[in-house]
Amino acid sequence: QKEVEQDPGPLSVPEGAIVSLNCTYSNSAFQYFMWYRQYSRKGPELLMYTYSSGNKEDGRFTAQVDKSSKYISLFIRDSQPSDSATYLCAMSARAGGTSYGKLTFGQGTILTVHP
Amino acid sequence: DAGVIQSPRHEVTEMGQEVTLRCKPISGHNSLFWYRQTMMRGLELLIYFNNNVPIDDSGMPEDRFSAKMPNASFSTLKIQPSEPRDSAVYFCASSSSGLAGVETQYFGPGTRLLVL
Repeated sequence: QKEVEQDPGPLSVPEGAIVSLNCTYSNSAFQYFMWYRQYSRKGPELLMYTYSSGNKEDGRFTAQVDKSSKYISLFIRDSQPSDSATYLCAMSARAGGTSYGKLTFGQGTILTVHP
Repeated sequence: DAGVIQSPRHEVTEMGQEVTLRCKPISGHNSLFWYRQTMMRGLELLIYFNNNVPIDDSGMPEDRFSAKMPNASFSTLKIQPSEPRDSAVYFCASSSSGLAGVETQYFGPGTRLLVL
């Protein structure tokens, strides 16, 4: 079983829809949770990160973490065609200082928002 | 800021040939990561350097793969001999430590490798 599970989709929604992307994990040591966005033929770029449980909002994006259920989500409101990309969840058990946070990635969900 | 620079962007080679991928991290970053991305396996960490020293190479698939970081501004990933199953997109990423408690990894554009 993989440490991080993510439904690869693909997911296709109409413009303006609310999108829900999810990941589950098995390693209870994970403390930092991130979402990366990867456009076609580009490298992943950090979209949002959260620490421990709770919600974090940034514009149209909301990240949720439920550590008790080992479940994280990314919500996209009023989705736009420019949101079409692959979304990867990533998790880290350690971060900051002189150590490093080894990131474990999910498989990625391919999202298409059509006009 | 030029971001993480990788070369070549595309590489097509024949089985058995040596392949060398190159990476220039963002100036001032002290951590460098090599990843491999395939449809089947997703994004996998191959090796991590901190201050030019290899810290974790547990993801390197086998002895055919080797990585070096001779200085803070350059790293190579070498495959010798290459095999068709090595075909993938290889990403280099860099980060700096102590940034608000979370190390953001900045990815390069990747090298698309095809081994025939």
